[in-house]
Amino acid sequence: DGGITQSPKYLFRKEGQNVTLSCEQNLNHDAMYWYRQDPGQGLRLIYYSQIVNDFQKGDIAEGYSVSREKKESFPLTVTSAQKNPTAFYLCASSPLGSGGGSDTQYFGPGTRLTVL
Amino acid sequence: AQKVTQAQTEISVVEKEDVTLDCVYETRDTTYYLFWYKQPPSGELVFLIRRNSFDEQNEISGRYSWNFQKSTSSFNFTITASQVVDSAVYFCALSEAYSGAGSYQLTFGKGTKLSVIP
Repeated sequence: DGGITQSPKYLFRKEGQNVTLSCEQNLNHDAMYWYRQDPGQGLRLIYYSQIVNDFQKGDIAEGYSVSREKKESFPLTVTSAQKNPTAFYLCASSPLGSGGGSDTQYFGPGTRLTVL
Repeated sequence: AQKVTQAQTEISVVEKEDVTLDCVYETRDTTYYLFWYKQPPSGELVFLIRRNSFDEQNEISGRYSWNFQKSTSSFNFTITASQVVDSAVYFCALSEAYSGAGSYQLTFGKGTKLSVIP
């Protein structure tokens, strides 16, 4: 079955530690995205990548880093510089067909990160 | 800058009632796309529908229907004969055809939490 997988589902981190969230897709999509969701809020874009070895900052990139070495994978690292990292993190991908905003983004199941 | 407003934070209905979720958007583009997603308690966002700004036809899919009105910048979502399985948070989102450095960015509303009571 094609889809997007995120691991782990729950993640606990001590303050001052970096942590990496995994996102893999087998939909052959070109573009991938990371969003953050806080309680009662909509999703906010952290980073996105339209092609391997290239990525762009979203609205709230500070304290986060990403890499895109393979088309299928787009891991997100939450660094110790992120002041309030406790949140629900969602990964998405889109086919980037005709380009622009017409592409539908499909989401993974999410990772809930808690900083202790 | 684009913006999406979902004024209803939470709605509760009794099973089999109809319910409409409101979505109002702001954009300066003439070409844009509107989306609805469903987020059940499990957390994953499920894509429901995409509309482009040139297509104002209402759409019906089973118990779901969408009313797109450019004149009022609204894209409302109606569930007919609601069921307990419809309980979720519903998000409306907007994407402009091209937004410079933010190309392909979806702007989400804050969501409406729907509770369907048996």
